[in-house]
Amino acid sequence: GQQVMQIPQYQHVQEGEDFTTYCNSSTTLSNIQWYKQRPGGHPVFLIQLVKSGEVKKQKRLTFQFGEAKKNSSLHITATQTTDVGTYFCAGRSSNYQLIWGAGTKLIIKP
Amino acid sequence: KAGVTQTPRYLIKTRGQQVTLSCSPISGHRSVSWYQQTPGQGLQFLFEYFSETQRNKGNFPGRFSGRQFSNSRSEMNVSTLELGDSALYLCASSREPGLAGGGFLAKNIQYFGAGTRLSVL
Repeated sequence: GQQVMQIPQYQHVQEGEDFTTYCNSSTTLSNIQWYKQRPGGHPVFLIQLVKSGEVKKQKRLTFQFGEAKKNSSLHITATQTTDVGTYFCAGRSSNYQLIWGAGTKLIIKP
Repeated sequence: KAGVTQTPRYLIKTRGQQVTLSCSPISGHRSVSWYQQTPGQGLQFLFEYFSETQRNKGNFPGRFSGRQFSNSRSEMNVSTLELGDSALYLCASSREPGLAGGGFLAKNIQYFGAGTRLSVL
């Protein structure tokens, strides 16, 4: 079936370092959404990308959607403690189902 | 505007019992999706309802079922509980179910409730 692979599963960074998570789909996606789940919380929508090659920025966060609409990435510059949590991508497939990546947990090293 | 409300927040059951979880979507939202979240498996899609009809279903056994009412509220039921059903069950609502391409972008953003944490003993 259709899958969205998300890597890495965990990433440990020092505060101030950058963080990147990647999503790859086995099929072309209509669009891709990104969500953040804080520890003990629920996923919260961050952004949606629709166009091939689209790049969007939210302050220190940069989101990209690949030219083939099969991959996406989220990059955080100069991480802060408030960035801690799990970041999920969710791709919309051709049959409108939302296919979720397994998430990347961002951990800030003390 | 009130957010997505899930009840109960916590539930303890024993193996073999059944359980019903409830989800009230944001006012005006007509699509409700259910997810199971466990530490090792991430977010697993259960099913999506729109206008009282199941639109999509994940790969879960028939013990997991759901329904949606005319006021868009949704319930999910798990029968014959197993230890492995212990998880956080999340409900998400959106204004419309999944839409392809670039149309009506805001309508398929998922808004999640706080979840129901189910423990099966």
